[in-house]
Amino acid sequence: QSAPTQPASVSGSPGQSITISCSGTSSDVGRYDYVSWFQQEPGKAPKLILYDVTARPSGISNRFSGSKSGNRASLTIAGLQTDDEADYYCCAYAGSGTYVFGSGTKVTVL
Amino acid sequence: EVRLVESGGGFVQPGGSLRVSCAASGFTFKSSSLTWVRQAPGKGLEFISYISPSGGTIYYADSVKGRFTISRDNAKNSLYLQMNSLRGEDTAVYFCAREPPPRYDWSDVHYSYYLDVWGKGTTVTVFS
Repeated sequence: QSAPTQPASVSGSPGQSITISCSGTSSDVGRYDYVSWFQQEPGKAPKLILYDVTARPSGISNRFSGSKSGNRASLTIAGLQTDDEADYYCCAYAGSGTYVFGSGTKVTVL
Repeated sequence: EVRLVESGGGFVQPGGSLRVSCAASGFTFKSSSLTWVRQAPGKGLEFISYISPSGGTIYYADSVKGRFTISRDNAKNSLYLQMNSLRGEDTAVYFCAREPPPRYDWSDVHYSYYLDVWGKGTTVTVFS
């Protein structure tokens, strides 16, 4: 099972909005509305920022939003800030206790 | 505070074995499904194994099936990953992560399918 595809890198200026796509298949991203997104800073553990496509954990800024259509999910970061620089991964629940992570996207704030 | 703390990583030769552990605190351990996720140097995240709250249901990624064994001790609030026949491509940081426990609403039970709490990871290096 190959990883859902994300762009290797996305960049934007402070204050701008960026969108990261996550393109999978009907066996992963498209199977359930159980897509989550993680932010990972260098040397740190992944941090959950969205789950169930659009839900935000407590403490996560509403600048982060998600959507899904068919086999493609998206993460939008509005009002880009310097501390948004990190790697971002989508994650799809694929059933039977298994998860599939996207290939990852490095976000750079110009 | 909900915490997961991995330990047991280290250096091992190809073909060798290692057991990594994950100690949990701050939540009802026996109610949560748990997973192991790894990250090779400079690479992305890879799900490798899942275990249900009772330990009765277990899944493995194809990349580790037959070589790795996941287990848990609910009395000790601990999760384990026994890794045998290690290869160079198993070199990675190994994270444990939990699914939130089920929520009960009148007669319904609601399961969550995401990983909300992660440990900081333990590094396994397979070298010859």
